[in-house]
Amino acid sequence: DTGVSQNPRHKITKRGQNVTFRCDPISEHNRLYWYRQTLGQGPEFLTYFQNEAQLEKSRLLSDRFSAERPKGSFSTLEIQRTEQGDSAMYLCASSLVGLPSGNTIYFGEGSWLTVV
Amino acid sequence: AQTVTQSQPEMSVQEAETVTLSCTYDTSESDYYLFWYKQPPSRQMILVIRQEAYKQQNATENRFSVNFQKAAKSFSLKISDSQLGDAAMYFCAFTGTASKLTFGTGTRLQVTL
Repeated sequence: DTGVSQNPRHKITKRGQNVTFRCDPISEHNRLYWYRQTLGQGPEFLTYFQNEAQLEKSRLLSDRFSAERPKGSFSTLEIQRTEQGDSAMYLCASSLVGLPSGNTIYFGEGSWLTVV
Repeated sequence: AQTVTQSQPEMSVQEAETVTLSCTYDTSESDYYLFWYKQPPSRQMILVIRQEAYKQQNATENRFSVNFQKAAKSFSLKISDSQLGDAAMYFCAFTGTASKLTFGTGTRLQVTL
């Protein structure tokens, strides 16, 4: 099992540009989560998918943010017209619901975004 | 809404000693899970230990153990025989029927020689 994989690991972009992050969850995990973490804070929930269905979106997810999981496997998080306040680490996580360990959520290494 | 509170922004422990990190939470749910995650400088969130709310027995994982007090909504983490590699941010987290994690603000643990 290779774990949750995220890329790119680091992205520096100019304000106003669009960026996209990709997440590959643990194989066969049917739930996939996106979190955002700023320095000195705990991760904040953004959205999650069960298979290809996006089941919940946080109010933190403005209309400039969009997430997809088209085939129920990998997911992308796109940020349009980036702002300096978007600078953060974007964490992806996955879990398998239904087993005894199903409510344990495993995290990737995160994607750092710096907006200049 | 669930909340998780970690009242200790920073803690320090000497190598080989024991330290306890505090966490309290608030929920109206009866079926939920609690976790401690470790985040070293590399930033990857690593699961340390988990506790199912329906289990009365406190979870243990090698040098890590929890003191789960359901009535008091308290979930502390004890690290025994602390090692330099234990230095990290530690986050307490909760998940219930919503299946998403709610995190506390974290405790930075320093381990000194």
